[in-house]
Amino acid sequence: EVQLLESGGGLVQPGGSLRLSCAASGFTFSNYAMTWVRQAPGKGLEWVSGISGSGDSTEYADSVKGRFTISRDNSKNTLFLQMNSLRAEDTAVYYCAKDLSQLELRLFDYWGQGTLVTVSS
Amino acid sequence: EIVMTQSPATLSMSPGERATLSCRASQSVGRNLAWYQRKPGQAPRLLIYGASTRATGIPARFSDSGSGTEFTLTISSLQSEDFAVYYCQQYNNWPLTFGGGTKVEIK
Repeated sequence: EVQLLESGGGLVQPGGSLRLSCAASGFTFSNYAMTWVRQAPGKGLEWVSGISGSGDSTEYADSVKGRFTISRDNSKNTLFLQMNSLRAEDTAVYYCAKDLSQLELRLFDYWGQGTLVTVSS
Repeated sequence: EIVMTQSPATLSMSPGERATLSCRASQSVGRNLAWYQRKPGQAPRLLIYGASTRATGIPARFSDSGSGTEFTLTISSLQSEDFAVYYCQQYNNWPLTFGGGTKVEIK
């Protein structure tokens, strides 16, 4: 059974940093691209960042480019999102999600339950 | 980036009715569009993608149509478990983008 478990969320002041983790199990982690998607309170889904199975290729939404860094440790089946220079508008529940296919179709069949990030003074 | 616009924002329907949800892209995404269902407290669920391919376990009452910039998700006969928020997502270009969602509620 595929499982994705996010952690690392919390309350942080504007300008601060957080590192989110997503522990994966139930599939060959290194074979699949992974992504982070967030949902701000009362808003819809917003794609944040994606990474290839090998970790060699990464992509970011314009809203987080230069502030967030996605990475993965395939030996530990874990995905990360390093978030720096956090802003109030980054407040959201952050979800990790698995690509549907090893071909990196860029759509997502399994999602975690999310971790809440609150940016406030 | 490609902006995805969904309409209507809310659809008030009765069980058994046919629901039609729209998704428009600001530029062509070919057929590289996916639909997700989201219920409160649950993770998004992939419904349909590409050339009308239903994801595993998705019933045949869900179908989609369209290409380029105009897409439609149809639920042929609403069941109680279908009342939820639906999102479209384009995966033709980086950055990936979602629509704002359509809430299908019980009339």
